Amino acid sequence: GAVVSQHPSWVICKSGTSVKIECRSLDFQATTMFWYRQFPKQSLMLMATSNEGSKATYEQGVEKDKFLINHASLTLSTLTVTSAHPEDSSFYICSAPSRRLGTDTQYFGPGTRLTVL
Amino acid sequence: GNSVTQMEGPVTLSEEAFLTINCTYTATGYPSLFWYVQYPGEGLQLLLKATKADDKGSNKGFEATYRKETTSFHLEKGSVQVSDSAVYFCALSGRGKETSGSRLTFGEGTQLTVNP
Repeated sequence: GAVVSQHPSWVICKSGTSVKIECRSLDFQATTMFWYRQFPKQSLMLMATSNEGSKATYEQGVEKDKFLINHASLTLSTLTVTSAHPEDSSFYICSAPSRRLGTDTQYFGPGTRLTVL
Repeated sequence: GNSVTQMEGPVTLSEEAFLTINCTYTATGYPSLFWYVQYPGEGLQLLLKATKADDKGSNKGFEATYRKETTSFHLEKGSVQVSDSAVYFCALSGRGKETSGSRLTFGEGTQLTVNP
């Protein structure tokens, strides 16, 4: 089946540093990927839609200069948390739709847990 | 806009008990409906889906029927196991002008704990 990977699975960084998270579709191409943020015991909050070959679309209230998204190829999207602060600590999850099972079905990565000290 | 409302948790059951997690939705048009499961420390996995009214999605003993008249997609399982302990999310995707994949709207999630 379709697989989406994320790297790293967890990261701890100091306040003020930048962290890059990769999302890859392993056996299919994805012109669109989605980035979510999840706080403990809460639902997923859509942050932005990553579009291959064009700018990402950010949800209201999400700072585009804070969360940089680059859809480098048909199988890779990256989320960079710039100048991270403790309040950015969260579980970040990406997803991508697979056309093999219809465009309505999305496959999720395993998530990246970011802890900012 | 689209919205999904899930039964509040947490839900605690004994092994082999019957499970129902309620989910209702509000959407324009004809959305597809999904149940995703999230095990501790992991991302979401698709559990089942239904794309049109009266469709029944099923997987691993779980079932949910797309009820347009009641705008519901309740998740059921006849006999739960300890390994079913996880968080369950109901979601819908609208069919709009998106060219590749549709945005998902999630419910709040329901934590299920099954005790032996």
